[in-house]
Amino acid sequence: GIQVEQSPPDLILQEGANSTLRCNFSDSVNNLQWFHQNPWGQLINLFYIPSGTKQNGRLSATTVATERYSLLYISSSQTTDSGVYFCAVDRGNQGGKLIFGQGTELSVKP
Amino acid sequence: DTAVSQTPKYLVTQMGNDKSIKCEQNLGHDTMYWYKQDSKKFLKIMFSYNNKELIINETVPNRFSPKSPDKAHLNLHINSLELGDSAVYFCASGQGTYEQYFGPGTRLTVT
Repeated sequence: GIQVEQSPPDLILQEGANSTLRCNFSDSVNNLQWFHQNPWGQLINLFYIPSGTKQNGRLSATTVATERYSLLYISSSQTTDSGVYFCAVDRGNQGGKLIFGQGTELSVKP
Repeated sequence: DTAVSQTPKYLVTQMGNDKSIKCEQNLGHDTMYWYKQDSKKFLKIMFSYNNKELIINETVPNRFSPKSPDKAHLNLHINSLELGDSAVYFCASGQGTYEQYFGPGTRLTVT
């Protein structure tokens, strides 16, 4: 099956710093989503981005489908950005099931 | 307006008991899912229903039985609970291969 790898596994930032999270996947996909799991456990949709670039406030994401990777950029990080960031993909031929990466645990210090 | 809701949020029970988790979505999506998040935060699909029909059944023990009375609801019943069933269970809904939306999760603790 398709493999999804995220890096780095852990990241500690000072408030105000920028960061880039990476997601590599081993096969072509029809769907790619980025999620933020906050410290209360809620999974929050950040981006639906099977290809191209999107921006939402301080966050932006780029997926290069031909090279099988996606990047999530966080600028001017805030303590509320702390949590786990997941990338998940769907190949499009398996009933819509999302295959998740192992996540990047981000801690933003004040 | 909660898009995907689950009840209960927390469930603490003893080994051998039977329990159910309920899920409802008001997004009008055709497909609903159950995912399991283990203690290492790894998320994995368990089941998927499309218009009340089971379309994905991963290698999940028979003790887990999903039921979809209509396309807005997907419940998960678990028989003879075991310690290893302790996890967070997420319900999600989606349309085709488009964005999936997740419920708040149900933290199940089996003692």
